[in-house]
Amino acid sequence: DSGVTQTPKHLITATGQRVTLRCSPRSGDLSVYWYQQSLDQGLQFLIQYYNGEERAKGNILERFSAQQFPDLHSELNLSSLELGDSALYFCASSARGPVSEAFFGQGTRLTVV
Amino acid sequence: AQKITQTQPGMFVQEKEAVTLDCTYDTSDQSYGLFWYKQPSSGEMIFLIYQGSYDEQNATEGRYSLNFQKARKSANLVISASQLGDSAMYFCAMRELSSNDYKLSFGAGTTVTVRA
Repeated sequence: DSGVTQTPKHLITATGQRVTLRCSPRSGDLSVYWYQQSLDQGLQFLIQYYNGEERAKGNILERFSAQQFPDLHSELNLSSLELGDSALYFCASSARGPVSEAFFGQGTRLTVV
Repeated sequence: AQKITQTQPGMFVQEKEAVTLDCTYDTSDQSYGLFWYKQPSSGEMIFLIYQGSYDEQNATEGRYSLNFQKARKSANLVISASQLGDSAMYFCAMRELSSNDYKLSFGAGTTVTVRA
């Protein structure tokens, strides 16, 4: 158990809909990262938050947004969903510092039908 | 440009034998970290081993060791005495320390299948 909790584990929704993925980082970790894993794109970095503030943006679509709350949990919002958004979405957290490994949650498998 | 390259999409290894997974990286940073993660069929990402760019010794964690060749920009993972439970996808990742975000860039992964 990595200590990072993601909910839900599975999500099936229709095109055009909006979903929210939730992540609770390990206790004490201030950084939260979101990654998307798909068969054709591999593991892509989406966005990072550090102590409530956006720190870095990767290949995140405009239809996607995220935030980190004062209790450090984070949510990834995906809207106007398309079939191609079907993927495994990971949240990871790490302590401050460059040598800290990122601990991953179990992921949310999103299927858009 | 691709920062992490894993050229082996899939590998087969006999139980109890060693296997080497290749990883090359591209960075102009002097300070960076290299990570290996394991992803079994259940989907979770499991951290295996870390190597810093200034570490003089190769990292080892149990049956995992990292063959770090800085001049060649390679960070190969060696799994010794393979077990059936080692069957999984393995990802090499890099963190460049010049940026303030510490995000990880991942390679495409290598699938390892351990045969009994």
